[in-house]
Amino acid sequence: NAGVTQTPKFQVLKTGQSMTLQCAQDMNHNSMYWYRQDPGMGLRLIYYSASEGTTDKGEVPNGYNVSRLNKREFSLRLESAAPSQTSVYFCASSEAGGPYYGYTFGSGTRLTVV
Amino acid sequence: ILNVEQSPQSLHVQEGDSTNFTCSFPSSNFYALHWYRWETAKSPEALFVMTLNGDEKKKGRISATLNTKEGYSYLYIKGSQPEDSATYLCASTRGNTPLVFGKGTRLSVIA
Repeated sequence: NAGVTQTPKFQVLKTGQSMTLQCAQDMNHNSMYWYRQDPGMGLRLIYYSASEGTTDKGEVPNGYNVSRLNKREFSLRLESAAPSQTSVYFCASSEAGGPYYGYTFGSGTRLTVV
Repeated sequence: ILNVEQSPQSLHVQEGDSTNFTCSFPSSNFYALHWYRWETAKSPEALFVMTLNGDEKKKGRISATLNTKEGYSYLYIKGSQPEDSATYLCASTRGNTPLVFGKGTRLSVIA
């Protein structure tokens, strides 16, 4: 099925470990995003990529890095995981980076850092 | 940072009731307002993208209105059904920048 695929779905890390969250879309969308969802908070933007070859910081970028590998793939890396990064991470894509296009979300990655 | 507010935080209604909830956003430099439906254990799905003052959108029993001059949007559900139980998110943006989401309204429809 067409859409946004995130892997893994669940992950437990120890403090200080690193990992990469993978995201791929097959809708030929130009823009991709990483959000995190915490209890009592709205979806908060970590990083985004308006088009292939560009990335920009969002509201909560500290502790994360991203790579827009090609038009399809946008990965999120935690270099040294901290308990504060325990969250559900959502990748999303849109046809373009402007405000007029709805987002398509992946199913999320639930990350626990102990 | 753009502030998007949603109320109420949660809502319980009986099956068959109609209901509505509110999204508030800054009216200055408005570009677009989005509504998403987010069912438990699934990912958010786009309902509406609204851009013009006075816009009204409808999808089945769900409709939305937009007032950009005063900075609010209403989402209406007519004749609520248990399958309408979900969190409804709104999001806005001031320009060619990513969406800023509200915290959502969690709707529970009791059969």
